[in-house]
This record gives sequence, C-alpha cells and structure tokens, in this order.
Amino acid sequence: DAGVIQSPRHEVTEMGQEVTLRCKPISGHDYLFWYRQTMMRGLELLIYFNNNVPIDDSGMPEDRFSAKMPNASFSTLKIQPSEPRDSAVYFCASSLDGDTQYFGPGTRLTVL
Amino acid sequence: DAKTTQPNSMESNEEEPVHLPCNHSTISGTDYIHWYRQLPSQGPEYVIHGLTSNVNNRMASLAIAEDRKSSTLILHRATLRDAAVYYCIRGDKYSGGGADGLTFGKGTHLIIQP
Repeated sequence: DAGVIQSPRHEVTEMGQEVTLRCKPISGHDYLFWYRQTMMRGLELLIYFNNNVPIDDSGMPEDRFSAKMPNASFSTLKIQPSEPRDSAVYFCASSLDGDTQYFGPGTRLTVL
Repeated sequence: DAKTTQPNSMESNEEEPVHLPCNHSTISGTDYIHWYRQLPSQGPEYVIHGLTSNVNNRMASLAIAEDRKSSTLILHRATLRDAAVYYCIRGDKYSGGGADGLTFGKGTHLIIQP
C-alpha cells in the first residue's frame, strides 16, 4: 500500500496567485481530512469529508480556501488568492472508519 | 482548545522505558483517547488508542486511569528513533458531530539521550 499521497511536496508562489494542493487517500478509506501546521498554531483541522461529502469545514480560515473531493480517490485544497500568512505545511490524512488516521508526507507551502 | 494537557517536553535515556502523561479531565463517556507522534519533517503517525481498558500494541502501551481523566503512553524501551512530538487527543468518532476531537494541541516533545 502506497499510503496517502500528496502533491506537490513543496510549493513556492507569490502573493495573489492560486495554489492547488492534491491528495490521494488510501484506497478504501471513507474519511479524508485536511490539516494545516504552523509553528504558531500547531496542527489545525481545516475540513474533513466522509464518502466524498464535506462534513465539517469550520476550520477553513476564510473564503479564500476551498476543498473538493470529486471522487473517492482524489481531493484538492485550493487557496485563491494566496497570502504570505498561508505559508505552512498542509497535511492530508485518510481513515477507514473515522478512527485511526493515516497522514501523508505533507506539502510545504511558501507564499512570498 | 485541545481538551488535553501534556508536558511541553520530556527527556529520557535510550533503552529505558518512557512514560508520557496526558490529562483529559473533561472527557466524556464516549470519547476515545488517541496518541499520535510526529517525527521531524514527517506527518503525524498513529501510535495507539483506547476507551477504558489498557491497550498494548507493537509500538507502545496505553494505561488509562480508572476515572478516565488521565492516561499514560508507555514506550517500553526507547530508541533514538522514538524522538518525536507525541500528541494525546480525545475524541469521538467523526459521525457528523463536529471535529472537536481532532484538535492536536502542542504535544510533548520527547528527547532521547544516547
């Protein structure tokens, strides 16, 4: 099993640009989570899906952030327009039953 | 609000047992206790979880107090590879009741001395 796959692993962009982060969950997992980690705020849950449906997006910071899960094997987190304060490591995780989560390697985003 | 309290850091020697404490005094009857760890430059990794009884797996043991207001993660024989941030999380299954249980908090930074 390849585990949770995230791309890109590193992204550097300029303020105002659109950024799209991608995640492929473990096959068969019904839950998918997006987290953001910064030194100041630690690891924060942004949104999670169950069976491709967004269940709780209360952690999404503002309208600039959006997440989709068009099918069971793919999800995207989009930031438009990006700002320097969005710089962080973004993790995707998946879970079979909503209990144990398996995290991807993360995408390190730098917004200049 | 992480809803759990852990020491900021702990230090231990290699090949000795490590006991990582966690307080969760406001835990509800249906909340599980989960432990994850995060090695440097990696995503968090599941360690163990339990509800009421003590739990063992190949990585660690979880000792849960009888009143469930605290728990201890036990690494029986620490190695240098166990140096990581350990997170204690309490939460229910994500069945539409909100994501409060997915708050990781600051965790305990475990330092292993050779």
